[in-house]
Amino acid sequence: GNSVTQMEGPVTLSEEAFLTINCTYTATGYPSLFWYVQYPGEGLQLLLKATKADDKGSNKGFEATYRKETTSFHLEKGSVQVSDSAVYFCALIFQDSSYKLIFGSGTRLLVRP
Amino acid sequence: KAGVTQTPRYLIKTRGQQVTLSCSPISGHRSVSWYQQTPGQGLQFLFEYFSETQRNKGNFPGRFSGRQFSNSRSEMNVSTLELGDSALYLCASSPRTAAEQYFGPGTRLTVT
Repeated sequence: GNSVTQMEGPVTLSEEAFLTINCTYTATGYPSLFWYVQYPGEGLQLLLKATKADDKGSNKGFEATYRKETTSFHLEKGSVQVSDSAVYFCALIFQDSSYKLIFGSGTRLLVRP
Repeated sequence: KAGVTQTPRYLIKTRGQQVTLSCSPISGHRSVSWYQQTPGQGLQFLFEYFSETQRNKGNFPGRFSGRQFSNSRSEMNVSTLELGDSALYLCASSPRTAAEQYFGPGTRLTVT
């Protein structure tokens, strides 16, 4: 079946460190891919998206590239801030009749000053 | 543009009761989806509505139901509440099919 796998957390980094959160997917077709972020006590915020192979999504210093050959969509940021501490979810949706987002289990990021 | 709004934000109910949650999508968005978030199961899809029609339903018992109104506002209902229904219920709206979804703040339901 279609699924999304994320690296286990928590990921603990010092401020200004480089961030990578791995995400791989299993899919029978070519989905659109997303990263969402959830801050404590809040809903999910769309962070970035990519709709086809080799697309790079970017927002607020975060980037992710849709790699069809490795079925991956890893999230990166060059210099994290304490305010980036949150849970990050990788997700996919198909361009067909399923209409639903399939999420990974989430990766908690903790950035220390 | 105003975001997705959900009411109420917090709810405490007793086992056996029923509950109705409300969601107002972003203006112009006709697709509304509902998700359940729990620590054990993560984010699970409940159902999706478009133009008042349910187009897909997740693997949840019949106690979970929903509907969408002509103004795209949506409600979900859970009858005969169980302790395991305690969760954050998230509503999302989308500008078109299979596109990005924008989430509301959620309704935190606690069943005692």
